[in-house]
Amino acid sequence: DQQVKQNSPSLSVQEGRISILNCDYTNSMFDYFLWYKKYPAEGPTFLISISSIKDKNEDGRFTVFLNKSAKHLSLHIVPSQPGDSAVYFCAASAGSARQLTFGSGTQLTVLP
Amino acid sequence: ETGVTQSPTHLIKTRGQQVTLRCSSQSGHNTVSWYQQALGQGPQFIFQYYREEENGRGNFPPRFSGLQFPNYSSELNVNALELDDSALYLCASSWGHNNSPLHFGNGTRLTVT
Repeated sequence: DQQVKQNSPSLSVQEGRISILNCDYTNSMFDYFLWYKKYPAEGPTFLISISSIKDKNEDGRFTVFLNKSAKHLSLHIVPSQPGDSAVYFCAASAGSARQLTFGSGTQLTVLP
Repeated sequence: ETGVTQSPTHLIKTRGQQVTLRCSSQSGHNTVSWYQQALGQGPQFIFQYYREEENGRGNFPPRFSGLQFPNYSSELNVNALELDDSALYLCASSWGHNNSPLHFGNGTRLTVT
């Protein structure tokens, strides 16, 4: 049973446009959500997070939106740059457990 | 600031053998977690260590075991290797129990033949 789902395995976007990556979850106990970016041959790198008490968190070009009623979160990247091309993972945790449950990832390709 | 380092980077083992993977935490981090990432999937939580004690475990059999040392470095041991154990093994460190983000190493690619 996949508790965190990223239904789009891949996404292509033109440089300068907005990239929107989506993530759905089923476990209502999740209260902390993160996005990680992964380049080939490297470990995942933390991008941005959001607590369930918020519905939006912004850091530079990256904004994460959380819709608790829909159990849905999204990552917006604007403007997209070729260096953003990577696999993006959505992850969630419950309470203080620190155990992250990851989605299967979305390969983002930003075309120059 | 030294990041999370893992060794070796690649490893090939035969089914039934045992393997030990090593991880050095990021400077100042006292919590270490291990994840298994199979091809085409997201990382799956194996277990976490805090102050040298196991502090949470995912859905992995007992043949997956670990250690954390006083300097917060860690080992992942897998006994009786199976073909399905072939994966990228990621170590991540963080500080304390709060929601500080995990910092991942580049992983060890294990192939079981």
